[in-house]
Amino acid sequence: DVKVTQSSRYLVKRTGEKVFLECVQDMDHENMFWYRQDPGLGLRLIYFSYDVKMKEKGDIPEGYSVSREKKERFSLILESASTNQTSMYLCASSLPGRYRAFFGQGTRLTVV
Amino acid sequence: DQQVKQNSPSLSVQEGRISILNCDYTNSMFDYFLWYKKYPAEGPTFLISISSIKDKNEDGRFTVFLNKSAKHLSLHIVPSQPGDSAVYFCAASASGSARQLTFGSGTQLTVLP
Repeated sequence: DVKVTQSSRYLVKRTGEKVFLECVQDMDHENMFWYRQDPGLGLRLIYFSYDVKMKEKGDIPEGYSVSREKKERFSLILESASTNQTSMYLCASSLPGRYRAFFGQGTRLTVV
Repeated sequence: DQQVKQNSPSLSVQEGRISILNCDYTNSMFDYFLWYKKYPAEGPTFLISISSIKDKNEDGRFTVFLNKSAKHLSLHIVPSQPGDSAVYFCAASASGSARQLTFGSGTQLTVLP
């Protein structure tokens, strides 16, 4: 089975801090994604990557950046955390040309 | 503007009865549709999918129906079980660089024993 692992289940950070959310997948998937889940809004795509060092903006990239230096790892960076970035963050991966994405367990981030 | 809409935030059904979850989309470029199930504090897990060239796909208790002319799909669960209680997300994708998914807002299904 594909395993997508997010480094933290729960995080509490202060406003203005730089925050790193890490995601690792073990199935050699080219595609990786970062979503956030908010009540009533579903999952919204922040950034995705279809190859090492490649990245593309999703629907809500403002306030975020990403890094993909190795195929198995995709990091989401909050340059200066704000309270409106309090959310559940979900990482996913998939094979090229395939629609089905596999998700990690999520990171519940609270910015205070 | 939401391209994938799930207009029912919640649904309650009795154990053993049918659960019907609905989803509408607006983007004609979507050619593949998926349903994911999510328990609290866990990531979504894939449930079932359907290509736009089909109008029905079945897997055990789960069936997805697609009506392309109405831009509507539905997930049927028969019979419903208490363990099916979760949030169900509809997702859609168009051919693109990474087949990224566009999700609806989710429907909380509660199956009452």
